[in-house]
Amino acid sequence: EVQLVESGGGLVNPGESLRLSCAASGFSFSSNTMNWVRQAPGRGLEWVAAIGSSGIDIFYVDSVRGRFTISRDNAKNSLYLQMNSLRVEDTAVYYCAKDLPFAATDYWGQGTLVTVSS
Amino acid sequence: DIQLTQSPSFLSASVGDRVTITCRASQGLSSFLAWYQQKPGKAPTLLIYSAFNLQSGVPSRFSGSGSGTEFTLTISSLQPEDFATYYCQQLHSYPLSFGGGTKVEI
Repeated sequence: EVQLVESGGGLVNPGESLRLSCAASGFSFSSNTMNWVRQAPGRGLEWVAAIGSSGIDIFYVDSVRGRFTISRDNAKNSLYLQMNSLRVEDTAVYYCAKDLPFAATDYWGQGTLVTVSS
Repeated sequence: DIQLTQSPSFLSASVGDRVTITCRASQGLSSFLAWYQQKPGKAPTLLIYSAFNLQSGVPSRFSGSGSGTEFTLTISSLQPEDFATYYCQQLHSYPLSFGGGTKVEI
């Protein structure tokens, strides 16, 4: 059974940093592109970042490029999102999600809430 | 960047109704489009991938069609558990993007 478990969310002040983690199990993590997707309270889904299986190919949405860094540790079956210079508008539930190549995002974690507020 | 426009944003329907949701893309996607269902407080779940392929375990009353710039999700006979918000997503090119969502209500 595929499982994705996010952790690391919390309440931070604007300008501060936070690191999210996602523990994966039940599939060949090292063979799959992984994504972070977020959802602000009461809003729709927003794709944030993706990282290819080897960690070389990396993509971001414009609003986080230069502030967020996606990474992975295939030996630990783990995905990360380092979030720096956080803004109020980054407040959202952040989901870790597995790619079905060029087809869909087929498995999602339960999400972790990041709140940026002073 | 590719923009996805879903319509309608809200849909009022009854059990047993046939429901159709449209997703229009700002440029051609071939068949690189997926549909998701999301219930309040829960993560999205995959319904349809590659425009028309039913994800394993998803009831056959759900179907997807279309290619290029116009796609549809159809629920042939709405069930009580189908009241939720539905999103399309393009996987043609980065940055990936979602439609704004369609909330299906009673």
